[in-house]
Amino acid sequence: ETGVTQTPRHLVMGMTNKKSLKCEQHLGHNAMYWYKQSAKKPLELMFVYNFKEQTENNSVPSRFSPECPNSSHLFLHLHTLQPEDSALYLCASSQEPGQEDYGYTFGSGTRLTVV
Amino acid sequence: KNQVEQSPQSLIILEGKNCTLQCNYTVSPFSNLRWYKQDTGRGPVSLTIMTFSENTKSNGRYTATLDADTKQSSLHITASQLSDSASYICVVRNDYKLSFGAGTTVTVRA
Repeated sequence: ETGVTQTPRHLVMGMTNKKSLKCEQHLGHNAMYWYKQSAKKPLELMFVYNFKEQTENNSVPSRFSPECPNSSHLFLHLHTLQPEDSALYLCASSQEPGQEDYGYTFGSGTRLTVV
Repeated sequence: KNQVEQSPQSLIILEGKNCTLQCNYTVSPFSNLRWYKQDTGRGPVSLTIMTFSENTKSNGRYTATLDADTKQSSLHITASQLSDSASYICVVRNDYKLSFGAGTTVTVRA
């Protein structure tokens, strides 16, 4: 394991459902991220949290709602999703963004299928 | 247009053979470049990181090169093994942002 744990690993939901993705890290990192990974496409940054504060929202639709109660936990609340939202959702953590040489530690992702 | 382009999109090689993956970028200013390996059903894991002054860096059977003048990097896999089957992602950082390539999917066959 990398130190970043995501649950659930797989999720199938209907377009009218509400579900949440969870991410937890015990690496002492202060920054956490949500990425969307679609087949054959680059990772898309969705949200950035630094010291529990949201510092970046990359024009993500409001049907995705992040929550960061502390530096170790990050949630992504989902509601009224569309089939095109089906993808692998990756959580990552790092030291503070902006440092000269930080690297990400990624979780294993949640494979989301919207039906 | 994506600022990080990887080629080929996918490739198949026989076990024991070598292969080279390419990454061309337009990101500026350049801070560093990382290669990640992503196994199926897992998150990406960093293989190497290269800064402006580094030309070559190895991690076991993986060797990355960087030409900052032409803005090109390559990842060479030597004596491939079945466990090398994965997606390899090139990530370039400027002062404040990461840019991801779409990845190259490598399949190693016995």
